[in-house]
Amino acid sequence: KQEVTQIPAALSVPEGENLVLNCSFTDSAIYNLQWFRQDPGKGLTSLLLIQSSQREQTSGRLNASLDKSSGRSTLYIAASQPGDSATYLCAVSNFNKFYFGSGTKLNVKP
Amino acid sequence: GAGVSQSPSNKVTEKGKDVELRCDPISGHTALYWYRQSLGQGLEFLIYFQGNSAPDKSGLPSDRFSAERTGGSVSTLTIQRTQQEDSAVYLCASSLGPYTDTQYFGPGTRLTVL
Repeated sequence: KQEVTQIPAALSVPEGENLVLNCSFTDSAIYNLQWFRQDPGKGLTSLLLIQSSQREQTSGRLNASLDKSSGRSTLYIAASQPGDSATYLCAVSNFNKFYFGSGTKLNVKP
Repeated sequence: GAGVSQSPSNKVTEKGKDVELRCDPISGHTALYWYRQSLGQGLEFLIYFQGNSAPDKSGLPSDRFSAERTGGSVSTLTIQRTQQEDSAVYLCASSLGPYTDTQYFGPGTRLTVL
């Protein structure tokens, strides 16, 4: 069974810092990997989707990379802002199923 | 519609009762997904529909859980003889197609079983 792990579980940084969130998965036979953010009491918002054939995707201050062979993905957030405070989740899909990590709770201090 | 909608937003029920949770996907999205998020836990995948068909139902926690989708649109998740451990937020998502497309999530249904 696919296992998805996210490190660190929580992260607190001052505003303006660049930071990296990590996601690892045990089965490299994935169709895609997706990064989401979840704000307290709200649903999930998709940030970036990387297909299995791709190496990275960028959106604004966010960059996600995928190394399928090693079972790793990173989400890079540049020049962090207090509005980036949320829980970040990564998810992989394979064989009609979808697996989420337990998330990294990010707090960006003003 | 503008986004994925779910109803009810909150449901409180007594142990042993049946409940139905509804999901309205974004118009034109062929894929629909159900997840469960228990307090302090990560998201647990339950089932995925492509059109009206669910290729794999093994993610459903027990035979008390069932799901259907009709007309390639609305989906209902039914929990029979609810138990306290069923208490969770049930999230629905849809995407234009399977696997390769971004999933858009609804706000969820918070189920509390007393």
